[in-house]
Amino acid sequence: QSALTQPASVSGSPGQSITISCTGTSSDVGGYNYVSWYQQHPGKAPKLMIYEVSNRPSGVPDRFSGSKSGNTASLTISGLQAEDEADYYCSSYTSSSTVFGGGTKLTVL
Amino acid sequence: QVQLQESGPGLVKPSQTLSLTCTVSGGSISSGGYYWSWIRQHPGKGLEWIGYIYYSGSTYYNPSLKSRVTISVDTSKNQFSLKLSSVTAADTAVYYCARADLYSNYFDYWGQGTLVTVSS
Repeated sequence: QSALTQPASVSGSPGQSITISCTGTSSDVGGYNYVSWYQQHPGKAPKLMIYEVSNRPSGVPDRFSGSKSGNTASLTISGLQAEDEADYYCSSYTSSSTVFGGGTKLTVL
Repeated sequence: QVQLQESGPGLVKPSQTLSLTCTVSGGSISSGGYYWSWIRQHPGKGLEWIGYIYYSGSTYYNPSLKSRVTISVDTSKNQFSLKLSSVTAADTAVYYCARADLYSNYFDYWGQGTLVTVSS
């Protein structure tokens, strides 16, 4: 299984919106609505931000949203805040296993 | 609130077996509905799924690691464990245990992670 493809880095200014893409295949992202997104600050464990493509766990701000089209899932963060600066990873179910994306470093300018 | 905590040696010699245990508190592994998972992160790199186990003992492994990985569960202690054999420096990583939803495959609770270094 190959890792899902994410851009290495994205950036935005406070208050702006950014989108992180996550591209897979019809065997993972495109085949199931089981895409999730994780935020990881340096030295910390990942935190679940989005599950089942577009659902937010309790406590995650509604500035975070997810979507999917074909084999590509996306995470959008609107109204960027300084604390959103972190690494973001997507993940997808694929035939009795899990695959992660390579990660995207978000810089808030 | 579910909590997970990894434990085990921080240093393992090449060719030996890496062994880690994850202790779960605030919930029972036996209650079902979740896979109990191991995930690792090489220094400065992304996340890599290692595998997971259901309380019944059913296991699923990353095909790239399958020949060297064993995940087991001890429901009486509310723990699950990872063994990775024949380790090399390439297995140096932070190892996380996490809980995965059985149906939707998302990881909602994570341990803090433990760094395992493979070196002689």
